[in-house]
Amino acid sequence: AQSVTQPDIHITVSEGASLELRCNYSYGATPYLFWYVQSPGQGLQLLLKYFSGDTLVQGIKGFEAEFKRSQSSFNLRKPSVHWSDAAEYFCAVGARGGYQKVTFGTGTKLQVIP
Amino acid sequence: GAVVSQHPSRVICKSGTSVKIECRSLDFQATTMFWYRQFPKKSLMLMATSNEGSKATYEQGVEKDKFLINHASLTLSTLTVTSAHPEDSSFYICSARVGSQAGGGGEQFFGPGTRLTVL
Repeated sequence: AQSVTQPDIHITVSEGASLELRCNYSYGATPYLFWYVQSPGQGLQLLLKYFSGDTLVQGIKGFEAEFKRSQSSFNLRKPSVHWSDAAEYFCAVGARGGYQKVTFGTGTKLQVIP
Repeated sequence: GAVVSQHPSRVICKSGTSVKIECRSLDFQATTMFWYRQFPKKSLMLMATSNEGSKATYEQGVEKDKFLINHASLTLSTLTVTSAHPEDSSFYICSARVGSQAGGGGEQFFGPGTRLTVL
C-alpha cells in the first residue's frame, strides 16, 4: 500500500526566508507525486506535480520540488517566503494503476512571521 | 483550469436526518470522482471512489449504507450522509479527475469542501 510521511507538523519561517517542507513516500514503483496547499476552511489547490521526466518540478507561486528516488522523497522548496504563503501543505502520492488513488500525508502547517 | 464546485458549502442538521452534498465538475467531464473526509487538523481520508454509471468503491472502514454515493452523470456526484450523528460532523471534500488520462497521471481537481455540523 502507498503511504506518505510529512515529518514536520508545524513550521515557522520569517518572511523572505527560504522554505523546505519534507515529504517521504512509500510506493512499489515510480509514483505520481503532488503538493497541495489548503487555506483555512478551503479546498485544496495543486502547487505542482511529478509524473515523469525532469526530477525538478516547477510549480505555481514560486514553489518547486525535487523527486529523489534514492531517498523516496519529494521535498517542497521556495527561495523566499511571503506572508500569503501561510497555509497547510499536503504532499500526496498517486498510484499509476487502477483508479489512480491518491494518498495524502498528514500535512505541514506553515506560519510566516514578519 | 478545471473547476469543481460543491453544494452546500455549509450545512447544519439535526441528529437522525439525512444530508446530501453535491459535487459538480463545471467545465469538464469527470469519469471518476473521489470523496474525502477531513477531520480537524488532520489529513484527508479517502472515503470512496465514484465512477459514472457504476457503484462506488468504498475504502475499508467506511460504511456503505451510511455514506451513499451516486455518480449519475459525468459532471455530478452526490454524497448522502444518512441518519447523521454528531460524530459525522466533518469537512467533506470531493475531487474529480479529467476523463481518461492515458499516461497523464492522476491529477485531481478539488472542490471547496462542505462543512457538515450535526447537532
